[in-house]
Parts: sequence; C-alpha cells; structure tokens
Amino acid sequence: AQKVTQAQTEISVVEKEDVTLDCVYETRDTTYYLFWYKQPPSGELVFLIRRNSFDEQNEISGRYSWNFQKSTSSFNFTITASQVVDSAVYFCALIYAGGTSYGKLTFGQGTILTVHP
Amino acid sequence: EAGVTQFPSHSVIEKGQTVTLRCDPISGHDNLYWYRRVMGKEIKFLLHFVKESKQDESGMPNNRFLAERTGGTYSTLKVQPAELEDSGVYFCASSQDIGHSPKSYEQYFGPGTRLTVT
Repeated sequence: AQKVTQAQTEISVVEKEDVTLDCVYETRDTTYYLFWYKQPPSGELVFLIRRNSFDEQNEISGRYSWNFQKSTSSFNFTITASQVVDSAVYFCALIYAGGTSYGKLTFGQGTILTVHP
Repeated sequence: EAGVTQFPSHSVIEKGQTVTLRCDPISGHDNLYWYRRVMGKEIKFLLHFVKESKQDESGMPNNRFLAERTGGTYSTLKVQPAELEDSGVYFCASSQDIGHSPKSYEQYFGPGTRLTVT
C-alpha cells in the first residue's frame, strides 16, 4: 500500500520569508511519480511538478524548488521569498507507474500555507 | 484550452435525496478520474475511466454511487440515496493518453463540487 504524509497541517509566515513544506512517502514500488499540487481559494488543484522515481535531481522553477531524496523517501517543496499569492493548500501526491494503466494518485493530507503581508 | 469543469459548484441536499455531479474533462483527454475529500481528511480516489470504460472503481464507497461516462466525453457521478457521510468535495481530473510517457501521469483537476448532505 502507498502512503503520503505531510506532517505540517498549517504553516504561517511573513512575506519574503522562505518556507519548506515537507512530504514523506511510503511505497514498495520502484517505479512511481511524485507530484505537488496547489489549491488556491478558488478550489481547483493546480499541477506544480512531477518527479520520476529514477530522477533524484533537484528542480528549481523561479521561487519554487523541490528536493527529492529516495534515501529518506522525502519530496520537500521550498518557496523562496514567499508572497501573499502563495497562500493556498499544498498537496503532495504519489502514483504508481509500473502497471498496465495509469493508476491513481495517493494524496497527503495537505498543508495550509498562509503568507502574511 | 479550457480546463476541467465541474457542475454544480455547490449542492445542498437532504439525506435520502439524489444528486448528480457532472464533469467535463479537457478536450482529448481519454482518462477521467473522480476523487473525494471528506472534511479534514485527505483526497481519496474513487474511480478511473478510460474513454467510456471503467478502468478502476476500487475507491467507490458503496453501491449508492454510480458513475457513467457515455460516449467517452463528460462523466456523471450520481449519489442515490445520499447519506450524511457523503458530504465533502468531489473532484474530477483528466489526463492524456500518450502511451506510458510521463505526461500521461499528469492529472489536471477541476474546481470540485462541494456536496453538503443535511
């Protein structure tokens, strides 16, 4: 069985602070993808990033960066110089990629990030 | 390109009534998924369509839930009769089918339907 844990239920920061959202996962599969989604107040889940289980390179996209470490089964997300618009619920998710179909996402509980001006 | 749309955005019904949720996936996406988030819990998978066929319905809670995808385009999820524990946000997602390329695993979500059963 797969499991994704986001231990931080809520995080509150002041604008321009850096913030890291933690994600730890459990799976016995060797082939999988990890994702981060953002849920702004409008409600939809916005896709942010996909990471292959065989690719441990960190990724940076503007103020966003992701640190994937298989040794600790973690896929953490850092926002540098946070802004008020970053306020949202962030979900980490995992999908098994070794089957004959595209599988289903297993989500963490979500982390509510509030960035104060 | 239009995103995934869901209707209605909110629905309030009484226990025992019937509700039908609709999802229109991104045009050309053969894969369509339904998920649900009950208050305070994680988002959980309900089922997966590939075109009009149910690929995986292992997450459907019970036989009060019926999902259809006639013609392989939009999908409906009917709850009949609704119970209090069915309250939550129902999300629909879609993805392309371009072989087992990484892009096929990217699911794009709609804004959800908030269902309240009183």
